[in-house]
Amino acid sequence: QVQLQQSGPGLVKPSQTLSLTCAISGDSVSSNNAAWSWIRQSPSGGLEWLGRTYYRSKWNNDYAVSVKSRMTINADTSKNQFSLQLNSVTPEDTAVYYCAEGVAARGYDHWGQGTLVTVSS
Amino acid sequence: DIVMTQSPLSLPVTPGEPASISCRSSQSLLHSNGNTYLHWYLQKPGQSPQLLIYLASNRASGVPDRFSGSGSGTDFTLKINKVEAEDVGVYSCMQALQTPHTFGQGTKLEIK
Repeated sequence: QVQLQQSGPGLVKPSQTLSLTCAISGDSVSSNNAAWSWIRQSPSGGLEWLGRTYYRSKWNNDYAVSVKSRMTINADTSKNQFSLQLNSVTPEDTAVYYCAEGVAARGYDHWGQGTLVTVSS
Repeated sequence: DIVMTQSPLSLPVTPGEPASISCRSSQSLLHSNGNTYLHWYLQKPGQSPQLLIYLASNRASGVPDRFSGSGSGTDFTLKINKVEAEDVGVYSCMQALQTPHTFGQGTKLEIK
């Protein structure tokens, strides 16, 4: 059974970098059958897909256009985890951030517990 | 980006009664491989979203058979045969045909 455990600060100052980590158990971040994504939920409730990383003979990344210039997703094979970095945050980045595992044909069938990140000075 | 539109946004239901949620996409979600990349999620209060239905009509592991998904192309429906108290939460459809994967606004189901 795949389990995802998120970690990272809940408060980030404006203009700084938001960093979150998702530790994986029950699967490998290098799996050829999985993709590892970040999704956030704004205070208004809507879910927004941010991006993903996946390994298919080489590492691949996709990002939402809305955050592409500020966002990096990295996989750490030594720790079997992946991470999110979002630069130059503003209060509009305040949200609950989820990591999730899934591929297009299966949907996101495993989710982290969620991390509320507040951007405030 | 593919726009997903759900209705209704609020759904009060009496226990034991059926419920239905509609989801429409701005373009067909049918892939050339024959799969339709539409999934349904339920987010119970205080929890992370959970997968209910994948590829439009397949129940995810452990999902009760009172939940069913149907539809094709751009029009999809999630039905709950007989609503139970534990079904309260926000139901969201999501397209995975292309990135960015996009979600509907969510339908909040509450018990009358």
